[in-house]
Amino acid sequence: GQQLNQSPQSMFIQEGEDVSMNCTSSSIFNTWLWYKQDPGEGPVLLIALYKAGELTSNGRLTAQFGITRKDSFLNISASIPSDVGIYFCAGYYGGSQGNLIFGKGTKLSVKP
Amino acid sequence: DTAVSQTPKYLVTQMGNDKSIKCEQNLGHDTMYWYKQDSKKFLKIMFSYNNKELIINETVPNRFSPKSPDKAHLNLHINSLELGDSAVYFCASSQRTGGALLTDTQYFGPGTRLTVL
Repeated sequence: GQQLNQSPQSMFIQEGEDVSMNCTSSSIFNTWLWYKQDPGEGPVLLIALYKAGELTSNGRLTAQFGITRKDSFLNISASIPSDVGIYFCAGYYGGSQGNLIFGKGTKLSVKP
Repeated sequence: DTAVSQTPKYLVTQMGNDKSIKCEQNLGHDTMYWYKQDSKKFLKIMFSYNNKELIINETVPNRFSPKSPDKAHLNLHINSLELGDSAVYFCASSQRTGGALLTDTQYFGPGTRLTVL
């Protein structure tokens, strides 16, 4: 079935550094979503992308919908300690059954 | 005020038992979901209800049965629990905006950690 490859699996960075993570797939998606999950909490939607090539920002976060529709990336600029958590990408290719696929997450740790 | 709440937060039970997890949202949303997150943090949608009607039913064992008594509640009942059912179960809700299904902004509950012994 559909799979998303999310990388890196984990990142250990210094406060103030920029972060980049991405998701790729062998299949085309119509929508890309990026979520953040804090420990013991449910995921929170950060950015939704609906068109190929779309570049969307949410504060220090920027995400792009790849031109091929098979990938997406998320950048975090000037990281701060509260950025720690697990970031998930999710791809959606329409319809209702089995069409929202999540990546396995990128665990971000930020050293003050 | 809590937007999406789940009870219980933790559930430890024996194999073979039947258990329920309750979910309530006070956001006035018309769509609710259940997700399963396994020990490796892999998240997978299980069910979705819109206005109490089932609209998404993933390849989930028949032992799992969602029930929506009204738009604000979506409960998950699990029969004959198995070891592999151990996971964190998340409820979520959203308001249909007319766009593609599943792309509406979903608000997640805090999760219920189910441990089957």
